[in-house]
Amino acid sequence: KNEVEQSPQNLTAQEGEFITINCSYSVGISALHWLQQHPGGGIVSLFMLSSGKKKHGRLIATINIQEKHSSLHITASHPRDSAVYICAVTGGGADGLTFGKGTHLIIQP
Amino acid sequence: NAGVMQNPRHLVRRRGQEARLRCSPMKGHSHVYWYRQLPEEGLKFMVYLQKENIIDESGMPKERFSAEFPKEGPSILRIQQVVRGDSAAYFCASSPQGWYEQFFGPGTRLTVL
Repeated sequence: KNEVEQSPQNLTAQEGEFITINCSYSVGISALHWLQQHPGGGIVSLFMLSSGKKKHGRLIATINIQEKHSSLHITASHPRDSAVYICAVTGGGADGLTFGKGTHLIIQP
Repeated sequence: NAGVMQNPRHLVRRRGQEARLRCSPMKGHSHVYWYRQLPEEGLKFMVYLQKENIIDESGMPKERFSAEFPKEGPSILRIQQVVRGDSAAYFCASSPQGWYEQFFGPGTRLTVL
């Protein structure tokens, strides 16, 4: 069974700062997902990646398959980025998503 | 193109009653996943369904919980004889292919009194 660890658990930063959230997992995967959960509870899929790097706006996600590690970066952070960021992995096939506990991010103006 | 729809958004049940949670996937998506988020805990996978088939139910509690995704209509997560410990947010997600990028619904908040 895959163990997914995220760090930090909580992060408070000032508007404009560069943010990094880390995710590591214990067993080889077929894909890794980054999700964003807003204070109201809704969940948005940010990225799904199996290798390399993806970028969408101010968000960048990278994955190192050999190291079993992924990072989510937010450039020029804004208070609206305040949310819980969740890492999840899947081995593919008939295999459920395994989630990290999430990183609570607060961006102060 | 409407997103994933779940209803009801909030559901209150007394202990021993049945809860039925509905999920309509995005148009063109035939894969549905159910997840549960207990208070102050992370998300947990429950079940993965395709039309008329349960693909993976390894996360489902052995008793009282069942799920279906019929040929027509929404996917249903059914909880019989609810207990207080079933109080949680239940999220549904859908994808066009198995374990592809998933799109989440707004969730159903179940409260058991």
